[in-house]
Amino acid sequence: EAGVAQSPRYKIIEKRQSVAFWCNPISGHATLYWYQQILGQGPKLLIQFQNNGVVDDSQLPKDRFSAERLKGVDSTLKIQPAKLEDSAVYLCASSPGARFQETQYFGPGTRLLVL
Amino acid sequence: DQQVKQNSPSLSVQEGRISILNCDYTNSMFDYFLWYKKYPAEGPTFLISISSIKDKNEDGRFTVFLNKSAKHLSLHIVPSQPGDSAVYFCAARSADRGSTLGRLYFGRGTQLTVWP
Repeated sequence: EAGVAQSPRYKIIEKRQSVAFWCNPISGHATLYWYQQILGQGPKLLIQFQNNGVVDDSQLPKDRFSAERLKGVDSTLKIQPAKLEDSAVYLCASSPGARFQETQYFGPGTRLLVL
Repeated sequence: DQQVKQNSPSLSVQEGRISILNCDYTNSMFDYFLWYKKYPAEGPTFLISISSIKDKNEDGRFTVFLNKSAKHLSLHIVPSQPGDSAVYFCAARSADRGSTLGRLYFGRGTQLTVWP
């Protein structure tokens, strides 16, 4: 079974530029999550999708971050414009549904450096 | 506000010995706990979990203990192997049905190094 795929793996941009990340979850997984992991911290949930609908985006900085999951499969996360503090690893995860005790499966992440 | 805390950023253990990783939490609504392991340049992978109705869960060399009254859990690895060297994250999920199902709250992680 293929895991969660993410691209690109690394990205370096200058502040105020835009950047987009792509995620393809495990086939059949209805729930998709984007996490931000800043160096030295644990992952923090940015947004959760159930199929193509947003379930939780309470921690997404909506003035600069946006995400979509068209057709309920793959997803893109965009930052526009980027700030220095956005430097982090962006992790995508998926799970079969959103039931209480389901395991989330993580992709390898996209490491973003904003200069 | 860090609701899940891993106060030891690193732990070094000799091969064959026991590794004990600790985790504390503050939210009494947390009802399900997980440990994830992360190797460099990879995403976290699920290791073991425990529900609050239990105080122990075992899977091979890995055992998780939960002390609800102390809001504390620990992961025991016996015997430790060099391949266990990784960052271990403790995570918790809220049972509050008013909150979003699925959101995990992570600790900062503990870097485990197992030396020969």
